[in-house]
Amino acid sequence: DTEVTQTPKHLVMGMTNKKSLKCEQHMGHRAMYWYKQKAKKPPELMFVYSYEKLSINESVPSRFSPECPNSSLLNLHLHALQPEDSALYLCASSAQLADNEQFFGPGTRLTVL
Amino acid sequence: KQEVTQIPAALSVPEGENLVLNCSFTDSAIYNLQWFRQDPGKGLTSLLLIQSSQREQTSGRLNASLDKSSGRSTLYIAASQPGDSATYLCAPDSTDKLIFGTGTRLQVFP
Repeated sequence: DTEVTQTPKHLVMGMTNKKSLKCEQHMGHRAMYWYKQKAKKPPELMFVYSYEKLSINESVPSRFSPECPNSSLLNLHLHALQPEDSALYLCASSAQLADNEQFFGPGTRLTVL
Repeated sequence: KQEVTQIPAALSVPEGENLVLNCSFTDSAIYNLQWFRQDPGKGLTSLLLIQSSQREQTSGRLNASLDKSSGRSTLYIAASQPGDSATYLCAPDSTDKLIFGTGTRLQVFP
């Protein structure tokens, strides 16, 4: 299994809602990543987990809260988002943190009303 | 801070042409460099990974070269097909993170 899956595919939420994005991989990878991609822009790194511990936080606002409950699963909890947070959220994984090929999921298209 | 630039920004060609996509980066202290393809509204598909010690990597009609000292990588696409139409992104890996280039939007028409 060489696939990274993400759910849901699409999410529409109001600014007062709480929602979560889910990412899963069964390749035995020990590094997992969240990226944000705005329209016609390249992906930008948000968070990196290595062996279920947060390794990198790219100064992301606290309304985004990542969680890595086990080595196969990565969540991104969303609360009190702003319309400018609307974007494609991409999850990726790699065998280890550095110097390894990253594999991406299909993304979750988030719209904040 | 790593900065990555891709040229050209967009390319429209008839099928059958051999193509060259360019990527330049400012910090040569990289572990590796990946090339990705992204279809509109979709995730990224990894095409090739070149380790910092390698000069080139091939997969089918794709060939990527890396000149780390000059901060350049090139993706060659041979005999282009309409199915190659997508945005191509390069991403050097340094300090444990990928920094993505601005992308080349490719359209191959029949």
